[in-house]
Amino acid sequence: AQSVAQPEDQVNVAEGNPLTVKCTYSVSGNPYLFWYVQYPNRGLQFLLKYITGDNLVKGSYGFEAEFNKSQTSFHLKKPSALVSDSALYFCAVRDQNTGRRALTFGSGTRLQVQP
Amino acid sequence: ETGVTQSPTHLIKTRGQQVTLRCSSQSGHNTVSWYQQALGQGPQFIFQYYREEENGRGNFPPRFSGLQFPNYSSELNVNALELDDSALYLCASSLDRDSGYTFGSGTRLTVV
Repeated sequence: AQSVAQPEDQVNVAEGNPLTVKCTYSVSGNPYLFWYVQYPNRGLQFLLKYITGDNLVKGSYGFEAEFNKSQTSFHLKKPSALVSDSALYFCAVRDQNTGRRALTFGSGTRLQVQP
Repeated sequence: ETGVTQSPTHLIKTRGQQVTLRCSSQSGHNTVSWYQQALGQGPQFIFQYYREEENGRGNFPPRFSGLQFPNYSSELNVNALELDDSALYLCASSLDRDSGYTFGSGTRLTVV
């Protein structure tokens, strides 16, 4: 079985400050990890993914995430937050070693960036 | 390159009715998955199709069924609608197991 935990329902940060949205995962094999963002009444937009290789993954809109195998974490980060980054963020995992390509999502973290 | 297109965008149905949601995959993508996102929750996997065959199913009852067509477009059918089926239904396509998943904007289903 695979699972994802996003321990914070909401993260508040001031514009220009660095932001971190936390994610931990559990899979039986090696993970594929993803971050998606969702704006109100919209579908999910892909931000970045980890498949293999460098533990620091760079994605869209200045976001990056660090894969930490020992802590089974994949936290999303951005050096300087923008008001337009305010949205709902989802972490997702899939086990590399299964033929199923189903993603398991966390419950989401709402990011609020204050001007 | 076109993205994933879902129709309709919004739908209101009465309890007990049947509904069909449609999805056009991104060009060249042979795998489509459907997810249900209830209000305030993360998406939950319903099922996945690969080259017209079901290739995995989540914890949803048999009244949730699907089809994938030769052009890789897809349908989600839900019979005997219940109030708890009210949700955003998301379709996602992928090229292969190492690719990202491209999501559509979803269909908002309301069951009254």
